[in-house]
Amino acid sequence: SAVISQKPSRDICQRGTSLTIQCQVDSQVTMMFWYRQQPGQSLTLIATANQGSEATYESGFVIDKFPISRPNLTFSTLTVSNMSPEDSSIYLCSALTGELFFGEGSRLTVL
Amino acid sequence: RKEVEQDPGPFNVPEGATVAFNCTYSNSASQSFFWYRQDCRKEPKLLMSVYSSGNEDGRFTAQLNRASQYISLLIRDSKLSDSATYLCVVKRADTGFQKLVFGTGTRLLVSP
Repeated sequence: SAVISQKPSRDICQRGTSLTIQCQVDSQVTMMFWYRQQPGQSLTLIATANQGSEATYESGFVIDKFPISRPNLTFSTLTVSNMSPEDSSIYLCSALTGELFFGEGSRLTVL
Repeated sequence: RKEVEQDPGPFNVPEGATVAFNCTYSNSASQSFFWYRQDCRKEPKLLMSVYSSGNEDGRFTAQLNRASQYISLLIRDSKLSDSATYLCVVKRADTGFQKLVFGTGTRLLVSP
């Protein structure tokens, strides 16, 4: 199993600013992912965070908007850049260790 | 068409009822299948994996039909605590990376 800590748990931000979400796993994992869950919707994969190389982004998501870091096997960050109200969502970090475990999510509101 | 499709519900059932959820997936390269449960304002958690031969875990039974690309979840003797959103999840690795794709979820409300 894996315990995943995410912070911040929630934030309210002004449009045009950027926010970095941190994700810490209590064990070393090869695969980490970042998902977005908009109100009333299911989870959409943003990118796979690869340790030692650039993240792999899904269609509709780009590195300039959602830069990701993965400096080691237990940690990753997702930055939401130049935010707009459409970025208001829950952002979930996850790690694959047999099954997919999730952090508790970061609820972002952009005004 | 979404890669993983589910009836969003909600399914309103009384305690003790049996309820079934269906899910279809479009990518034949899908390798593994799961049901996740998500409570309101919480993160998703694994309920059970789905095996080709079908599998059961207490009151929960999962079935997979690869030919029809169809997955199901049956809940018997529903409890109030079963009220949640059930997410059908498909894992594939056709691009060289493992990736889990989530359905939109089916909401279940169990009432007294």
